[in-house]
Amino acid sequence: TQLLEQSPQFLSIQEGENLTVYCNSSSVFSSLQWYRQEPGEGPVLLVTVVTGGEVKKLKRLTFQFGDARKDSSLHITAAQPGDTGLYLCAGDRYSSASKIIFGSGTRLSIRP
Amino acid sequence: GAVVSQHPSWVICKSGTSVKIECRSLDFQATTMFWYRQFPKQSLMLMATSNEGSKATYEQGVEKDKFLINHASLTLSTLTVTSAHPEDSSFYICSAVTGGAPSYNSPLHFGNGTRLTVT
Repeated sequence: TQLLEQSPQFLSIQEGENLTVYCNSSSVFSSLQWYRQEPGEGPVLLVTVVTGGEVKKLKRLTFQFGDARKDSSLHITAAQPGDTGLYLCAGDRYSSASKIIFGSGTRLSIRP
Repeated sequence: GAVVSQHPSWVICKSGTSVKIECRSLDFQATTMFWYRQFPKQSLMLMATSNEGSKATYEQGVEKDKFLINHASLTLSTLTVTSAHPEDSSFYICSAVTGGAPSYNSPLHFGNGTRLTVT
């Protein structure tokens, strides 16, 4: 059972369109991170959200942490081919031994 | 800053042989490193937590005698896949934190991974 479920699993859209990726759990997280991974490389940290309800913006990317700190979303405005990759959310749980747990991943493909 | 180097980036070995993968923190000291396994188009699965100067902590279902982890210094952790079999073929990634545990103020820094193919 995946503790952090991401949806959708796969998404292929046209350049210029908007999209939202969701990361959901029944567990509370002290913080949640979003990473982007390209083939053959390690994940690269995009953002960390800590406070319930927090919204962070990174150029065309908007990240939100749910009020209850159980879920998060990533919204991309005017997607570009360079946004293509595997997006991973990762949560740091209160009750675990401070290990970050990765979500199931969303593979995003932006068509020119 | 906070660069993690993983070596080799890819390796092909014959079934039954052992393979060692290195994970180095180049510009910081890492008391804790993590080893992950990633199957094609899937997420990262934590295999073990490597602690400098002590035994690694393995996740449930990961054979510690098959995946030997050594964290002998503050900048180097190694993962040795012993008696490798084709089902061990995967993408192995390490990460490191500067503090004792990952949190929002000490994020994970990832290596670029090692693609292992066992023939």
